[in-house]
Amino acid sequence: EDQVTQSPEALRLQEGESSSLNCSYTVSGLRGLFWYRQDPGKGPEFLFTLYSAGEEKEKERLKATLTKKESFLHITAPKPEDSATYLCAVRGLNDYKLSFGAGTTVTVRA
Amino acid sequence: DGGITQSPKYLFRKEGQNVTLSCEQNLNHDAMYWYRQDPGQGLRLIYYSQIVNDFQKGDIAEGYSVSREKKESFPLTVTSAQKNPTAFYLCASSSRTNSYEQYFGPGTRLTVT
Repeated sequence: EDQVTQSPEALRLQEGESSSLNCSYTVSGLRGLFWYRQDPGKGPEFLFTLYSAGEEKEKERLKATLTKKESFLHITAPKPEDSATYLCAVRGLNDYKLSFGAGTTVTVRA
Repeated sequence: DGGITQSPKYLFRKEGQNVTLSCEQNLNHDAMYWYRQDPGQGLRLIYYSQIVNDFQKGDIAEGYSVSREKKESFPLTVTSAQKNPTAFYLCASSSRTNSYEQYFGPGTRLTVT
């Protein structure tokens, strides 16, 4: 069974204070690792898909990286509008569905 | 604009009543999914459908039912057999030819008392 563990559960940052979120996974043949952003009371918003170890993707202040066992979401010089819960999910070799982690809630103070 | 719509945003029901949550997409996606989200937990898959007139149980299907009569629509019924139905319900869709990246609707918050 595919498993995804995200850490930390919560992260409080000062504006401009860069940090990283971790997503550890076990999956039978990775077909994709997905990052989403979710604001309170709303549906998750797709951010990135990573397919193989060594791959990196960037969007504004966010950068996602992937190794064979984990993914990191780096937030560079965050702003208050980056406050959200960030979700990680994986798709395995023989699966049409995604397995999600519980998320990391990021709060950025001005 | 293409997207996924869920209605209503908030839903209140009495225990023992069945309730149906609506999900419609105009992204021309073949696959659709229903998830449940509870505080402190990851999204848990209830049902999914890869094509019209076909669907499969997810990890927590007990007490739920679905239908897929049209490509655009995937309604979820929460039956009285679901022991703890109060939750945030999310519908998603994906293209079968695009790595199965899932795109989500805004969600329906169901409260059963």
